[in-house]
Amino acid sequence: KAGVTQTPRYLIKTRGQQVTLSCSPISGHRSVSWYQQTPGQGLQFLFEYFSETQRNKGNFPGRFSGRQFSNSRSEMNVSTLELGDSALYLCASSLAPSPRDEQYFGPGTRLTVT
Amino acid sequence: GIQVEQSPPDLILQEGANSTLRCNFSDSVNNLQWFHQNPWGQLINLFYIPSGTKQNGRLSATTVATERYSLLYISSSQTTDSGVYFCAVEYRKAGGYQKVTFGTGTKLQVIP
Repeated sequence: KAGVTQTPRYLIKTRGQQVTLSCSPISGHRSVSWYQQTPGQGLQFLFEYFSETQRNKGNFPGRFSGRQFSNSRSEMNVSTLELGDSALYLCASSLAPSPRDEQYFGPGTRLTVT
Repeated sequence: GIQVEQSPPDLILQEGANSTLRCNFSDSVNNLQWFHQNPWGQLINLFYIPSGTKQNGRLSATTVATERYSLLYISSSQTTDSGVYFCAVEYRKAGGYQKVTFGTGTKLQVIP
C-alpha cells in the first residue's frame, strides 16, 4: 500500500506570494492533518480535515487555510507569505478522525520564503 | 494548553548501548504516539501507545496514562537509530476541539 505523498517536495517563494501544497493520504484513510515544523517552534498542528470538513484547527492566522476533496486528498494554502513561513510542512493521514488512531506522515514539503 | 516535555534533549550513545527516553505530559490525553525523524525530515511511526506496553524488535514503549508519562526504550543501539525522537499527544481542548501537540524531541546520536 502506498504511503502518504506530498507535492511538491521543495518550494521557493517570495514574500507576499501565495502557495498551495498538496497531500494524498494512504488509500482508505479519510482524515488528513497538517503540521508546520520550524527550528524555533518545533512541530505545530495546523488543522485536520475529515469528509471534506475542517474538524480541528491550531493557532495559526487566517492566511493558512486548507481544504479536502471527495477523494480525501487535501491541499493547504498560505497567502501573503512571510519570511517566518519558511518551514517543513508535513501532512499525516489516519483512518478515523480525532480522537485519531495511528497517524502516518508524508515526507513533507520544504518551503523557503525569500 | 497541554505541556509535553521530553528528556533528555540530547543523547550520545556508543553503538550497542541501551537508552531510555521520557515524555511527560501535563494533562489527560486521548492517545500518544512515538516517532523517529530521520535526517531527511521523514517522521516514522514507532508506537501508537495511549496506555500499556508494546515491543517491536529492539524498541519498546510504556505509557502510564494515570501518571502522565511515556517511556521509549532502545536496546543495543545502532548508528541507524540516530535522529530525533518525538512523542505526540492528542487531547480535547476547551470548546471540544481536539489538538495534537508534539514534544520538543530528543536528539540521539549513536557513534560507532
